[in-house]
Amino acid sequence: QSVLTQPPSASGTPGQRVAISCSGGSSNIGSNPVNWYQQFPGTAPKLLLHSDNQRPSGVSDRFSGSKSGTSASLAISGLQSEDEADYYCVAWDDRLKGPVFGGGTKLTVL
Amino acid sequence: QVQLVQSGTEVRKPGSSVKVSCKASGRSFITFSYSWVRQVPGQGLEWVGVIIPTFGTPKYAHQMQGRVTITADEPTTTVYMELRGLKPEDTAVYFCARGGGAPEDWFDPWGQGTLVTVSS
Repeated sequence: QSVLTQPPSASGTPGQRVAISCSGGSSNIGSNPVNWYQQFPGTAPKLLLHSDNQRPSGVSDRFSGSKSGTSASLAISGLQSEDEADYYCVAWDDRLKGPVFGGGTKLTVL
Repeated sequence: QVQLVQSGTEVRKPGSSVKVSCKASGRSFITFSYSWVRQVPGQGLEWVGVIIPTFGTPKYAHQMQGRVTITADEPTTTVYMELRGLKPEDTAVYFCARGGGAPEDWFDPWGQGTLVTVSS
């Protein structure tokens, strides 16, 4: 059972906008930045967004993040087939004194 | 360009130990944090622990305490994770990942992963 809650799956058609939610609590999302990772099958996760909504160099501006209270969201606009992957949210937890992960969301591009 | 290169696949019997290495290239090895994250096949990600070489004292996830030891060797810029008392449920891909100067920073980059299989 993951500390952060994500929907197990999401889907969209090419060109659509898709949002993936991440729900936590006051000790994690409510008081610390959220980071998002993208993972393709058989590969290591890759940093997609950090500090709620900051894109590392090289990440497409089609990816954006937001946070409100104890929930965060990853939005992907102009969906492309290459976006089909697993997406994880992560935040530091002040009570557990370590990072906590969401269970991951498998994005399917129809 | 920082890279993390991990050691290869391991197969162990229940009750034994495994030690996985993660060699970091690039500068300023000791000022960054290095975490270990594992992923049971087909499942999500789970934090194992972290070390900041300049401070030396590692921190572990509560559920791993007592069985895991993370160390760092500055001359070889290599981080190690040793897991003892292996159980079949420890079968997973173990990733190392570099953080910032504090344990709560984001992970970038990641190593390629090391599959550890625990089976009798």
